[in-house]
Formats: sequence, structure tokens, C-alpha cells
Amino acid sequence: QVTLKESGPVLVKPTETLTLTCTVSGFSLSNARMGVSWIRQPPGKALEWLAHIFSNDEKSYSTSLKSRLTISKDTSKSQVVLTMTNMDPVDTATYYCARMLYNWFDPWGQGTLVTVSS
Amino acid sequence: QTVVTQEPSFSVSPGGTVTLTCGLSSGSVSTSYYPSWYQQTPGQAPRTLIYSTNTRSSGVPDRFSGSILGNKAALTITGAQADDESDYYCVLYMGSGNWVFGGGTKLTVL
Repeated sequence: QVTLKESGPVLVKPTETLTLTCTVSGFSLSNARMGVSWIRQPPGKALEWLAHIFSNDEKSYSTSLKSRLTISKDTSKSQVVLTMTNMDPVDTATYYCARMLYNWFDPWGQGTLVTVSS
Repeated sequence: QTVVTQEPSFSVSPGGTVTLTCGLSSGSVSTSYYPSWYQQTPGQAPRTLIYSTNTRSSGVPDRFSGSILGNKAALTITGAQADDESDYYCVLYMGSGNWVFGGGTKLTVL
């Protein structure tokens, strides 16, 4: 069974850096057909794709957030890490990680709500 | 930046058929964008319905189908049920490892 689980702080202060970890099971991060993306959803709003890491360690980022994002993985730990710098209250959202199988997201993690507030 | 468009809301009667669409602010959606569709109920993570335009994910009822209609991707629900009342999101692959989600459609079944 493939599962993904997000972990990280519930609350961060403005200007701080957010670090989120996605721990996967049931598949290997070195599998050539697969990768992991981070996606977020502000309360009551739409989903927004943030970043992706491929099995060969290539990375891609949302154009609008590229300067603030870094994605990395530790295959031995089955973890994918997303960092987002200079957090702002508008970054308050539920952050999801999802496996990318060829060109679709499946499955998704349960999500973790991150609130940005002083 | 390219915007992926979806109807903000739609309503369907129980047993009825509804088609939700997924378009581009500029240009046409084709299979090369590998459109996929996700269903989300409040407080839950999205669930995959359709991928690669028209392939149903495992366990998805056959009343859900995907297609290209004109210049848009489409999700059709035939014989809508009460528990189909959800938010529906499409996402398109823009190439170079980039994906863009649509704004979502809130479907009401009444």
C-alpha cells in the first residue's frame, strides 16, 4: 500500500523559513516512473502546485514561488523535504505531498495545516 | 502565466448528467497536457478520479468519464448521486516538470 505523510510545524512566524517533510512508504523514491510533488491549498481556496522532484533528482518549481522554494529528497529515508523561505500570512494553507505516477498525482498525503502568524 | 479555467460552480439534479470543463486562458487543451481530475470533499485530501484525459483511477465508478470536448478537457458525471457533491479540480501538465491546477468547480447535487 502506497502512503505519504506530511510533517512539520503547525505555526510559523512571518519571515521565518518553513520546512516540511513528506515520508513515503510502499514505493521507492528511486523508481524511474515516480516522483513527489508538493501542493498547497489556502483555506477555502484552490489547490496550487508548488514543486516536484523526479527520481533522477531533477527538480521543478512553480514560476511564481521559485525564488522561495527548495525541494530535496533522501531516498534512504524515503523522505522528500520542502523548504519555503520568508513566510507570510498569505502562505497559510494545508500543504500536501503527492506521488506523481507518470503525469498524475496519486495518492495524496492527508495534508498538514500551516498557519503563519506572529 | 497560463491560467487553467474551470466553472466556479455547477448544479445537477440527482440522476442527471453534468459536464465540467477545464480550459486554458490561451490556447486549447489536448491530450498532450495529460489532464487529470480530482474530487475533494471538505476536510479531506483530493482523490484521483481520471488521469491521462480519460483513464479512470482504480475504484472510481464508471459514471465518471473524461474526454476532450472542443478545446477543453471535460469530466462528465452520468447519473449523479448525492455523494458526488464535492469540489472538482483539474490539473494540466505544462511541460518541463510544471503542473497548473484549475480554480476548481463546486458541484451541488439537488
